[in-house]
Amino acid sequence: SQKIEQNSEALNIQEGKTATLTCNYTNYSPAYLQWYRQDPGRGPVFLLLIRENEKEKRKERLKVTFDTTLKQSLFHITASQPADSATYLCALYNAGNMLTFGGGTRLMVKP
Amino acid sequence: NAGVMQNPRHLVRRRGQEARLRCSPMKGHSHVYWYRQLPEEGLKFMVYLQKENIIDESGMPKERFSAEFPKEGPSILRIQQVVRGDSAAYFCASSPGQAGGSYEQYFGPGTRLTVT
Repeated sequence: SQKIEQNSEALNIQEGKTATLTCNYTNYSPAYLQWYRQDPGRGPVFLLLIRENEKEKRKERLKVTFDTTLKQSLFHITASQPADSATYLCALYNAGNMLTFGGGTRLMVKP
Repeated sequence: NAGVMQNPRHLVRRRGQEARLRCSPMKGHSHVYWYRQLPEEGLKFMVYLQKENIIDESGMPKERFSAEFPKEGPSILRIQQVVRGDSAAYFCASSPGQAGGSYEQYFGPGTRLTVT
C-alpha cells in the first residue's frame, strides 16, 4: 500500500542551527512533492514545490531535496528561529490534482 | 486578494443533526478540495471539485457526506446525521488547477466541527 512517512516525534533544536526534516514514501511515483507549514488552529501554508526531475530547490532559508531513487525528500531550515516552530507537512502530488499528506513533524526551535 | 474563506470557523452540532460547511475559493481559482484532520492525525483528502462537477470523491465516506460546488456561490460540504466520530477540523483548499500552471494549494482556516 502507499505510504508517506514523516517522523512523528517532535524535533527540538537550538536557535541558529539547521533543522532537517525527513519525508519517506513507498509505492508512489510522484510527479511533484510539496512542503507545507501548519500552525496550531490554522490551515496549512504552502512553502515549496519540487518536481521529480529536480534534485534541490531553495527559497530564502529553506532548502528541499528530492531523491526519487531513495524515495525521500529532506527539508532544511537554516539559521532556525523560534518563529519557525510549527508542524511541517510533506505532500505528494501523484495524478488528478490530488495531494496526499504525511502525518507531519513538529519542529520546536528553542531560543 | 482575499484568501480562501471558510465559515463557520466553529460549529457545534448534536448527534443526528446536519452540518453545512462553506468554502469560498481564492479569486480566479476554479478547483476546490476538502480535507479532514482528526485530532493528532494528518490531513486526509475527501473530495475534489470543479465548478458544478465532482472530479474525485474517493476520500468521502460512502454515507451521510456530500459535497457540491455550484456555478454561483461557495462550495458546500454537507454532513447528515452527524456522529461523534465526525468531530474534526475540515479544511478547504483551492488552486487554479493545471491550466493555471500551478500545483500548490491554498488552504482556508478550517471549520472545527464538534459533535456533542
